[in-house]
Amino acid sequence: EPEVTQTPSHQVTQMGQEVILRCVPISNHLYFYWYRQILGQKVEFLVSFYNNEISEKSEIFDDQFSVERPDGSNFTLKIRSTKLEDSAMYFCASSPQGWGYTFGSGTRLTVV
Amino acid sequence: SQQGEEDPQALSIQEGENATMNCSYKTSINNLQWYRQNSGRGLVHLILIRSNEREKHSGRLRVTLDTSKKSSSLLITASRAADTASYFCATDAGYGQNFVFGPGTRLSVLP
Repeated sequence: EPEVTQTPSHQVTQMGQEVILRCVPISNHLYFYWYRQILGQKVEFLVSFYNNEISEKSEIFDDQFSVERPDGSNFTLKIRSTKLEDSAMYFCASSPQGWGYTFGSGTRLTVV
Repeated sequence: SQQGEEDPQALSIQEGENATMNCSYKTSINNLQWYRQNSGRGLVHLILIRSNEREKHSGRLRVTLDTSKKSSSLLITASRAADTASYFCATDAGYGQNFVFGPGTRLSVLP
């Protein structure tokens, strides 16, 4: 069964450093998303991406965040200057038609 | 895996009817949550029910949890066309564990 792949599974970074979280969505999907979950809290929407542009973003998704689909397969989330409060599990998801998500297994980001 | 799995995968009803969606999971959980997603939009958190709770209400939403059967149900009463969306359950196994989402139920409410 097709799956969304996220790498790395766990990343530790120093405060102020840039991180790039990588996702390979399902190949024929058209909508891409990033979510995060701070430990013990609910999943929060960050951004959705369609037709090579951001279609929706939340208040969390400020200027420190950016997304890119650099080629036909990868979908990346970049955090320019990480803060301690960015420590969370980051989930990538894709869908073929804007609904019917498939989630990746997540990248745990730890900012120290 | 502790993945929540929603049932049915798709549901069509007439406006005014009630919609019931079910979620089953495999391992012990700490919390179970229901989310809604409108087409192309982000997830919206609907309701959280803890493992020691059996039922919760929020407006037209009613969620039940049966830990002995490892299942939960989401009931939307007096549905409206605006309720058309995908509904997901998500489970977590406790502190330090992140939520795992099921594939969702696609609800269509016809006017």
